[in-house]
Amino acid sequence: DGGITQSPKYLFRKEGQNVTLSCEQNLNHDAMYWYRQDPGQGLRLIYYSQIVNDFQKGDIAEGYSVSREKKESFPLTVTSAQKNPTAFYLCASSIGTSGYEQYFGPGTRLTVT
Amino acid sequence: SQELEQSPQSLIVQEGKNLTINCTSSKTLYGLYWYKQKYGEGLIFLMMLQKGGEEKSHEKITAKLDEKKQQSSLHITASQPSHAGIYLCGASGEYGNKLVFGAGTILRVKS
Repeated sequence: DGGITQSPKYLFRKEGQNVTLSCEQNLNHDAMYWYRQDPGQGLRLIYYSQIVNDFQKGDIAEGYSVSREKKESFPLTVTSAQKNPTAFYLCASSIGTSGYEQYFGPGTRLTVT
Repeated sequence: SQELEQSPQSLIVQEGKNLTINCTSSKTLYGLYWYKQKYGEGLIFLMMLQKGGEEKSHEKITAKLDEKKQQSSLHITASQPSHAGIYLCGASGEYGNKLVFGAGTILRVKS
């Protein structure tokens, strides 16, 4: 089955620790994205990548970092610099970045205490 | 930057009733995407509407794009409990490489 996987489903961390969220796709898509979703708000773009070894900041990149060493993988690191990291994180991918629908993973709920 | 406003914020309908959700953009729409989300899960792609007054249907869900009003509507006919969830619209701007999302409409269907 082709699709996007995110792991883990739930993640708990202590304040001050960095944490990495996994996102893998086997759809052979070039573009990948990370979004954050907070209650009552729409999705906000954190980072996106149009091709391997290249990525751009989205609207709320501060306190986050990404890498794109392989086409299939786009991990997101939530650093201790992110002031309000508790949220639902969604990864998505698309064939390209213009005019193509994005397909989403199941999400990771991160709780930082 | 482009902003999307969805209305209503939430909706409770009796099973079998029709309903409409609207998505209005502050800027020109170059592509409009509708997604459905179950609470705590990922988004499921429903339909994409390209510029030009397009209309698409899938089962009992119809979406239309009114480019003059910079608005899209999602209409569900004869609602069922399986339609319950959060409906989000997303839009691509002139450069197409990023999607902006509305806050979502929560739909509950009473049986």
